[in-house]
Amino acid sequence: KNEVEQSPQNLTAQEGEFITINCSYSVGISALHWLQQHPGGGIVSLFMLSSGKKKHGRLIATINIQEKHSSLHITASHPRDSAVYICAVSNTGNQFYFGTGTSLTVIP
Amino acid sequence: DAGITQSPRHKVTETGTPVTLRCHQTENHRYMYWYRQDPGHGLRLIHYSYGVKDTDKGEVSDGYSVSRSKTEDFLLTLESATSSQTSVYFCAISELSGGYLNTEAFFGQGTRLTVV
Repeated sequence: KNEVEQSPQNLTAQEGEFITINCSYSVGISALHWLQQHPGGGIVSLFMLSSGKKKHGRLIATINIQEKHSSLHITASHPRDSAVYICAVSNTGNQFYFGTGTSLTVIP
Repeated sequence: DAGITQSPRHKVTETGTPVTLRCHQTENHRYMYWYRQDPGHGLRLIHYSYGVKDTDKGEVSDGYSVSRSKTEDFLLTLESATSSQTSVYFCAISELSGGYLNTEAFFGQGTRLTVV
């Protein structure tokens, strides 16, 4: 049983397209995190949110606590956005649970 | 960038040998974690620490031990490496806020370990 489910697993988009990655979770959370991992690279925190919406540049993250769902949107996608995007939740037991990631490829 | 470094970054070792990976932080965060990342799996928790000398097991702790003698250092030891422990290992740090883990998690750059 996975506490965090992401969809899609793989995503290919043309440069400039609007992209949405979805995340559902089944545990009580203190926060939800969106992470980015470039091929062969480290893991970088993009967002941490516990309610509402956050925006950073072309990236927008939303969360619906009642539905236990979050989305990561990328506007005007660019080849440099190609990476694996990981959804994670930190629960009230002070643990992190991770989704298996969404591999995004943006084609020029 | 958060001050968290892993060493070594790459290691090849032989089956049966002991291996120690080091995670060093300069953020004074209480929580430190070791994860392994394998294709088809999300990050899986090996061990974590919630303070000096305070550690606990994660879901894939068999074959691994940890130690934390100082706030800034968290060591992961493979007592006798096996091929199934070939993986990419990530260290992470975080801190409590208001009693909950609702601050950012920071990750090291990862250690690619190959057991031959």
